[in-house]
Amino acid sequence: ETGVTQSPTHLIKTRGQQVTLRCSSQSGHNTVSWYQQALGQGPQFIFQYYREEENGRGNFPPRFSGLQFPNYSSELNVNALELDDSALYLCASSPEPGTSSYTDTQYFGPGTRLTVL
Amino acid sequence: AQSVTQLDSQVPVFEEAPVELRCNYSSSVSVYLFWYVQYPNQGLQLLLKYLSGSTLVKGINGFEAEFNKSQTSFHLRKPSVHISDTAEYFCAVSADSGTYKYIFGTGTRLKVLA
Repeated sequence: ETGVTQSPTHLIKTRGQQVTLRCSSQSGHNTVSWYQQALGQGPQFIFQYYREEENGRGNFPPRFSGLQFPNYSSELNVNALELDDSALYLCASSPEPGTSSYTDTQYFGPGTRLTVL
Repeated sequence: AQSVTQLDSQVPVFEEAPVELRCNYSSSVSVYLFWYVQYPNQGLQLLLKYLSGSTLVKGINGFEAEFNKSQTSFHLRKPSVHISDTAEYFCAVSADSGTYKYIFGTGTRLKVLA
């Protein structure tokens, strides 16, 4: 049990629609990263938020955007959905470097499986 | 830039036999290395990690891995597998401490046979 939760568990959308996925991190974890895991592939880094600011981005277009809130929750938004966006979306949270809880490790949630038809 | 290669997409092994899952990485800077396990329809669970120090790292569920800098490898081993070890295993690399931006391999599916 990592203490990281994601909602919803499953989601079906049609091409062109917009979707919002949610993640709730452990208390004190002010870094959250989002990953996309296509079927049969390893997770691919989308972006990371630290203290509510974007702190790095992978090779994903601007229609992938995010938000992080002071209560350790965050969102991944995807606009203009494409069929290739069908995947498992994982969020991972991490404690503040330099704190007593710092472990240099990310803790992953169970994921949201998005299907785009 | 960093990259991770998991050479075996699938590894079948009989119960109670030993297993090794291979991971090689490429990086021009010092790295931190991780192995995660993913059971069907679940997220990723950390098995073990190498940050510094002893090159032999022990993790949960009887797994261990050895960091070999000269061969840029971080192979995962278990001396005796169980049916419950059937899962997808991912090797990951992070370039800098504290950035938490992991590069994952494509995964190895371990199938333990009775």
